[in-house]
Order: sequence, then C-alpha cells, then structure tokens
Amino acid sequence: NAGVTQTPKFQVLKTGQSMTLQCAQDMNHNSMYWYRQDPGMGLRLIYYSASEGTTDKGEVPNGYNVSRLNKREFSLRLESAAPSQTSVYFCASSESSNQPQHFGDGTRLSIL
Amino acid sequence: GNSVTQMEGPVTLSEEAFLTINCTYTATGYPSLFWYVQYPGEGLQLLLKATKADDKGSNKGFEATYRKETTSFHLEKGSVQVSDSAVYFCALSGRGSYIPTFGRGTSLIVHP
Repeated sequence: NAGVTQTPKFQVLKTGQSMTLQCAQDMNHNSMYWYRQDPGMGLRLIYYSASEGTTDKGEVPNGYNVSRLNKREFSLRLESAAPSQTSVYFCASSESSNQPQHFGDGTRLSIL
Repeated sequence: GNSVTQMEGPVTLSEEAFLTINCTYTATGYPSLFWYVQYPGEGLQLLLKATKADDKGSNKGFEATYRKETTSFHLEKGSVQVSDSAVYFCALSGRGSYIPTFGRGTSLIVHP
C-alpha cells in the first residue's frame, strides 16, 4: 500500500522561484494536511483541508497556497520562495478529526 | 486552546534499559491521544493510540495509558533496543477539531 505519496523528495530553489509540492493519498481519507518541520520547532501546520472542497489556514500559512484538487490530492505552492522556507515539508491525511494521521516521507526543500 | 508538553531530549539509554517519556496535555472535552515515532529521514508513523480515559495503547513493546485525572499519556517500554533510536511525538486530536496538537518531540538515543 502506497499510503501518502509526496513528490519531489528533494528540491533546491533560488530565492524568488516558485514551485508546487504534490501530495496524494490512496486511503480514501477526508482530511489532508501540510506541515513544515524545522530543528527545535517541532511540526507546524501550514494549511489543512477538512474535506474535499475546503481549505483552511494553520499556524504558519504566510507565503504558501494550497489546492485540494480532489479527494486524493492536496498540493502546496510556494509562489516566491524565500530562504526562511527552507525546511522539510510533510503531507498527512486522516479519516476524520479524531483519528490518527498518516504521513508521507517528506520533501526536503532548500532555498538559496 | 489545546496543548501538549513532552519532556525535552535527548534521552540517552543503554540497550535493555527501561524507557519513560513523559507527556501531559491540556484540552477541552475528551480528546484522542497518540504517540508517533519518526525514524531518520522518514515521516511520522503512528506508534499507539488511546481514545478514552484508562485506555492503554500498546505496540512493539511500547505502552501508554490515558490518564484523565493527571492529563497524562506517558510512553514506556521495559527494554529498549538500538533500533528504537528515533524521535517520539505525543499528540492529541479532539472530536470535531480538525487541527491536531503535537508536542515538540523527544529524541531517544539507545547505545549498545
């Protein structure tokens, strides 16, 4: 079972470039999430989608946009990358609000 | 709002030692509680969960009991192995709230 698949696994960007991180889940989950993980900061929620057709801001949404393309896919876009966005990005999904989350293996993003 | 506090690491143990990682929480209502584990270079994966007071979650020799009276969910293992070296996250999620709350993570290092 694939679970949650993130692409790409690694990416290096220059300041000001844009890119989209892709995430897809095959578990028919309703909710999907984007986090960033930085040393000493734990996991911080960027955006989430409680169900298909809805998206909401998390703790650190500035500089990011998201699209819930369909029930399976939830993408994260950086319109104009900044060095402060260098991080490891994780996508997760869950069946409902009080169920555990399933995580992808992450995208390691460096912005020079 | 909800919060999760877990002991700071790193926790360094010798193989076969007893492990406790403390976790306390603040939440309204009756949240579900989780422990996740993150191995180097990977995403978080669910280790165990408990959904109501006095429930005991267990998996791979790890255990945690949902203690509502002390608002705690401490992780224990009787005899750790080198392969248990990882970062452990305590988390909660409430019914009806789509934003889970994670602790900062505790790094465990087990020496042979």
